[in-house]
Amino acid sequence: DAKTTQPPSMDCAEGRAANLPCNHSTISGNEYVYWYRQIHSQGPQYIIHGLKNNETNEMASLIITEDRKSSTLILPHATLRDTAVYYCIVRAGNTGKLIFGQGTTLQVKP
Amino acid sequence: DAGVIQSPRHEVTEMGQEVTLRCKPISGHNSLFWYRQTMMRGLELLIYFNNNVPIDDSGMPEDRFSAKMPNASFSTLKIQPSEPRDSAVYFCASSPLGGETQYFGPGTRLLVL
Repeated sequence: DAKTTQPPSMDCAEGRAANLPCNHSTISGNEYVYWYRQIHSQGPQYIIHGLKNNETNEMASLIITEDRKSSTLILPHATLRDTAVYYCIVRAGNTGKLIFGQGTTLQVKP
Repeated sequence: DAGVIQSPRHEVTEMGQEVTLRCKPISGHNSLFWYRQTMMRGLELLIYFNNNVPIDDSGMPEDRFSAKMPNASFSTLKIQPSEPRDSAVYFCASSPLGGETQYFGPGTRLLVL
């Protein structure tokens, strides 16, 4: 599975959009980009995933560049409850394995 | 839906003792995963099962660790003998076979003294 690079930490003001970047320059054609988050002391929670098209669900939007070498997770209106560690993971479609990196710690501030 | 259930939620034991962690996946899910999380190493996949069969155990640290899935609704992760460096949070997750989303349990916090 391809390796991902994320900034270790970010801050965001409550009510503003949080944009979390991820680099995955070695991604292969059959690999999906997944985002999970882990709120303190809880198990990781799935957010969204995509292959090459932009995706949106009730939690977030995922923007994948045309060359698929990077992506951005967007939380449109961050709240204090969105404070968590966000993991960007690249995973081949035919395997169940998730390889977690260090993630980005997002701190949403009042 | 009860979600993934793990027991115990907390375990404190002494070095050398046997530890058994338990997991009940979401009903209907055919894939089950065991992860370990520490400050030093982050979140690591230990082993996963498809249809009760171990598919990849390359993350199991050593022979002291073993995992079983005797049926579709129950799995155990056993450490024998336990060591202080095994102290961590152990998560179980499940998904439909080939599913895109893994659902994690609340974790078991293990402290080996």
